[in-house]
Amino acid sequence: GNSVTQMEGPVTLSEEAFLTINCTYTATGYPSLFWYVQYPGEGLQLLLKATKADDKGSNKGFEATYRKETTSFHLEKGSVQVSDSAVYFCALSRDNAGNMLTFGGGTRLMVKP
Amino acid sequence: DVKVTQSSRYLVKRTGEKVFLECVQDMDHENMFWYRQDPGLGLRLIYFSYDVKMKEKGDIPEGYSVSREKKERFSLILESASTNQTSMYLCASSFSGEGSYEQYFGPGTRLTVT
Repeated sequence: GNSVTQMEGPVTLSEEAFLTINCTYTATGYPSLFWYVQYPGEGLQLLLKATKADDKGSNKGFEATYRKETTSFHLEKGSVQVSDSAVYFCALSRDNAGNMLTFGGGTRLMVKP
Repeated sequence: DVKVTQSSRYLVKRTGEKVFLECVQDMDHENMFWYRQDPGLGLRLIYFSYDVKMKEKGDIPEGYSVSREKKERFSLILESASTNQTSMYLCASSFSGEGSYEQYFGPGTRLTVT
């Protein structure tokens, strides 16, 4: 079946540190991959996506590359800010339209000034 | 901006009660979804709807039903609430056009069943 595994948090970093949140997946075929972010008290927002192997999604300084050979989609940012503190969810789509999403457990990021 | 609103932020119900969670979106999206969010488990899809009066089971539909009588509104119904349905419930909507992909989420309803 389909599944997404994320590193457990919380991840605590100082401002301007480098961020990596690991995400690996199991799926049949070639799913689309997503990172969603949930800020405190809010619903999830799409952060970035990649729809085929070797695609790189990027947004707001965050990047993730779809690696088919390692079935991974790790999220990175070169210099985090306090405002990046949130919960990050990796997800895959089991259909072609991004409707049937399977989410990872989420990783809480805390950035200290 | 797309707006997805949910009827309550917090709800407390007793075991056995019938519970209605309402979701409204204002962007004329065809697709609407209900998820529950639990710590360490992420989000799990309960039901989704791709058109008025249409519904599809997600990964965990047991104990839930849904209703979509109008395009903008999608209701989640707990016929007889149980304590294991205590959770955060998130509604989402999306456009069904090719390459759309993005789901827009509401702020969630935290339901406690006592």
